[in-house]
Order: sequence, then structure tokens, then C-alpha cells
Amino acid sequence: DTGVSQDPRHKITKRGQNVTFRCDPISEHNRLYWYRQTLGQGPEFLTYFQNEAQLEKSRLLSDRFSAERPKGSFSTLEIQRTEQGDSAMYLCARAGTGRTGANVLTFGAGSRLTVL
Amino acid sequence: RKEVEQDPGPFNVPEGATVAFNCTYSNSASQSFFWYRQDCRKEPKLLMSVYSSGNEDGRFTAQLNRASQYISLLIRDSKLSDSATYLCVVPDGTSYGKLTFGQGTILTVHP
Repeated sequence: DTGVSQDPRHKITKRGQNVTFRCDPISEHNRLYWYRQTLGQGPEFLTYFQNEAQLEKSRLLSDRFSAERPKGSFSTLEIQRTEQGDSAMYLCARAGTGRTGANVLTFGAGSRLTVL
Repeated sequence: RKEVEQDPGPFNVPEGATVAFNCTYSNSASQSFFWYRQDCRKEPKLLMSVYSSGNEDGRFTAQLNRASQYISLLIRDSKLSDSATYLCVVPDGTSYGKLTFGQGTILTVHP
């Protein structure tokens, strides 16, 4: 149990459709992160939240991507008008506590997206 | 130069072998470093933090060379269960939790 639950685990969609992924940290965590991992590459930072505030977004996050964390607990990542290049594993993570733990991320199992 | 660069491998070694991975990074201001392990089709999990003096955890030893800007991971007495992808990770330095991952090095340990 990673303490971060993601849903759905797998999503297959046709190009042009919208998809939404959800991330539920099991306990309260101020900071929540979204990363994307394509085949053969390491994860890449997309965005992060401190409570409900989205504090930073990567250039990778085009206008078709939107993330929310409305009550500072669960978060959603929506991709509109999906493209084949969006096929990837979308990983949600929580940070550790304290100064030394702030850069230690615990990832959820991920949501794997395949765009046909 | 990539921000974090690793030899992707794959490394194929027999059980009991010693294997070492290197990783170079470009951000000279980075203060902390990590190795994560990722099993096939699973999420990355923290393996070790890398401290300036180097650190050891059982069969695993991580070292840091700031002058040359590289990090190494040594695995002694390899086990079949060590087969995985090993990711070198360097914090971006601008925000906590914003990490730059290397491409990963694939290790396969065979009987």
C-alpha cells in the first residue's frame, strides 16, 4: 500500500476523446504531484499542488491538460482532445514530511493511458 | 547535455555478481540525490538517498562525486530479485518534490 490510490489503472481511448484520472492520497498530505512516464523514459514532472493551490505547471502541460485539487484532498487530471502522444503512465505522488523528506516522493500505482 | 543522464543498459549479470551504475547530472547546485527502483509496469519506489559522504544499505552502496557531478550505485552479490530499472533522481532545486529523473538503467540478474 503506497498511500496513494489512482483510478482508473488502465484507460484505452480513441484520439480526440477526453479522459480524467483521479488521485486519492489515503491520508492528508499538503503536497501532491503529477508526473508522466512514457515508455523507456523516466517520469517527468507535470504539476503540483500545495493543499488546493496549483503552484507550478510544467511546459509539458499543454492547454489540453488541466489539473485540480478542489478540497485539498483528492486531485484530478483531465486531458481534452487526446492525441496519440498522450499515451503514457500518469503517476500521482505525495511528498514525505520534514525538510529531508520533502523531496522524497511516494508514487501511486499509476494510470496507464493508451490513445488509439 | 541532459539534466540527468544514465546508461540505459541493459546490464545482464549472473547471480552473485557485483554491478555498478553511474549517473551524471548538470545542475551543480543540487544538494540531494536519490536512486529509485522501478519494477516492470510498476511505480518507482525510493531505493536510497545519496549523501555527500556516500551511504550503504546492505548490499547497496551509493556514492556522490560533486566535482565530477556524478552519482553511482553499487550492488553486491546480485539477487534475481534485483532485476529492475534503476532511476537516478536529482531534485530540480526550485520546488520541493520537483524531481528530474534519468532515463533509467535496466538490470537483469540471471541464474
